[in-house]
Formats: sequence, structure tokens, C-alpha cells
Amino acid sequence: QKEVEQDPGPLSVPEGAIVSLNCTYSNSAFQYFMWYRQYSRKGPELLMYTYSSGNKEDGRFTAQVDKSSKYISLFIRDSQPSDSATYLCALYTNAGKSTFGDGTTLTVKP
Amino acid sequence: DSGVTQTPKHLITATGQRVTLRCSPRSGDLSVYWYQQSLDQGLQFLIQYYNGEERAKGNILERFSAQQFPDLHSELNLSSLELGDSALYFCASSVTGQNSPLHFGNGTRLTVT
Repeated sequence: QKEVEQDPGPLSVPEGAIVSLNCTYSNSAFQYFMWYRQYSRKGPELLMYTYSSGNKEDGRFTAQVDKSSKYISLFIRDSQPSDSATYLCALYTNAGKSTFGDGTTLTVKP
Repeated sequence: DSGVTQTPKHLITATGQRVTLRCSPRSGDLSVYWYQQSLDQGLQFLIQYYNGEERAKGNILERFSAQQFPDLHSELNLSSLELGDSALYFCASSVTGQNSPLHFGNGTRLTVT
């Protein structure tokens, strides 16, 4: 079993929809949580970075962490065609070990 | 633009050959990471350097090696190449190398024929 499981997708939604992207993990040593967005043929770019349970908001993006359930989510409000990309969760231990999810590909249709 | 520069962008070579991928980290970043991304494997961590020293090793094959130079740029050497080594190779850098966010380059696409 993988340490990090990410909803595989692909996900296709109409413009303006609320999108939920999710990862679960099994290793309680993971303490830092990040979401990256990757456009085709480009490197991943950091979207959100959090280290505590709860919600963190940045514009149309909200990162949610539930350490007790070992579950993290990224919500995108008012989704736009420009949000079409692959989204990767990344989890880090205090020692700096990082594990990425396999990614969820999102398509937002105009 | 992340500030991380990778060269070359594309590389086509034959099985059994050796190639070198190069990475210049973002200004001020001391740590460099190498990742391999293939269609069926996702983003796989290979190796991390911090200020010239190896800090962590992931799923890096013995045929692969890397180093970080005094000017902080890094090279990933891939030898005895096999068809299965065809992938995107990403370099990322971070300030401290300890839970600080990674900034990725746009990768080198390696095709082994």
C-alpha cells in the first residue's frame, strides 16, 4: 500500500463549479502538507503550504487538513478553464522526507 | 518562472549510452532535489543535496549518480541507459531543504531509443 493515496481522476467539471481534490495518508509522521499544480509539459508549481489541521484559504483555493483522519483536501471555488491541470499533494515529515501523490488531472470546461 | 533552470529541455539517446542533466537552482536556495516522472510512476524522488552534501536518497538506481557543485548547480548522470529510463526528470530547489517549499524547473524530457 502506498503511503499517500490521491483520488486518481480524471475530473471534468463545468466552469464555475466547486472542485474537491483529496489525498489520504497512512504515516502519522507527515506533518507538512503542500499542493502543487502542474500544467502539461511544465514543472509543478506550489499552490498551498500548511502544517496544521484546519483550513487555509488563498483566493479561490482552500487547503484543508485533518490529521486525525489522515486526510487532506484542496478546494477550488469558481473554477476556471485556466485551472485545468494536474494537481499533486505532497507530504513531508519533520525530517524532510517528502512523498508526492500520483496526481489528479482536472479539466474545467467553458 | 520558478527561477530553476534545467538543461537540456529534450534529450534523445540510445540504450547503453550515458547522459548528464544539469540544474541551476533558484538564487539563494541551498538545496537541490532530483525527481523522475513517468506516466505510470508519478513523481518519484531520486536524491537531495544540501550545500554540496548529499542529504537524502530515494529510489535512485545504481546506474544514476548526482552531485552538487560549490556554485550550487547540480548534475544528474544517467548511465547504461535502458528504454525504461525514458521519463521527465525534474530538478527542484528550496531554501533550507527541511520542509521548505520546493520550486521546480520545467524538466528535461529524456527519450531512450
